[in-house]
Amino acid sequence: GAGVSQSPSNKVTEKGKDVELRCDPISGHTALYWYRQSLGQGLEFLIYFQGNSAPDKSGLPSDRFSAERTGGSVSTLTIQRTQQEDSAVYLCASSGDRGRGSPLHFGNGTRLTVT
Amino acid sequence: AQSVTQLGSHVSVSEGALVLLRCNYSSSVPPYLFWYVQYPNQGLQLLLKYTTGATLVKGINGFEAEFKKSETSFHLTKPSAHMSDAAEYFCAVSDLGYSTLTFGKGTMLLVSP
Repeated sequence: GAGVSQSPSNKVTEKGKDVELRCDPISGHTALYWYRQSLGQGLEFLIYFQGNSAPDKSGLPSDRFSAERTGGSVSTLTIQRTQQEDSAVYLCASSGDRGRGSPLHFGNGTRLTVT
Repeated sequence: AQSVTQLGSHVSVSEGALVLLRCNYSSSVPPYLFWYVQYPNQGLQLLLKYTTGATLVKGINGFEAEFKKSETSFHLTKPSAHMSDAAEYFCAVSDLGYSTLTFGKGTMLLVSP
């Protein structure tokens, strides 16, 4: 398929462990976004990559969260020393245009549960 | 700063009835506005968007929305609900100079037979 692919679809981890979430954007899309979706809280912006520019990290909630994008394609969101409040669905999206009217194409998300 | 308010976390309608999901935004400049739909265990899918031009925007699955600047609103409507419309709907705004979307908290649409 040509959509945004996220893995794993579900992740259960123990409090204090590190986790890595992966996102494969649509081929050729230069923009990549990470959002966090918590019950009743809507979507919370985390980080945005656009081409070779420095990422916009303004939404990362703490220094335990980091993300990288290798070769302008695949992205990995890392959460260190996970806490129970990190439990949420992490959504990745990509967009093929710099314009602010460009729609985002979302993956199905990774559901993270911290026990 | 930009923000989005969706009135009602849950809206219930009968099949065949009018669907109205409310969205109000705040923006310091002309906004770009979006509605997305999320089905269970899936990502978000674009329903429709307003950028410039005609204020009544038609989207997929028979949905439409009207941009009303004076009311800072972008309500989503559909004349006749179908069971398959049951999902969560998100309104979003993109402000000038922002590369990201700000989403509302979502409205769950429940459709009963």
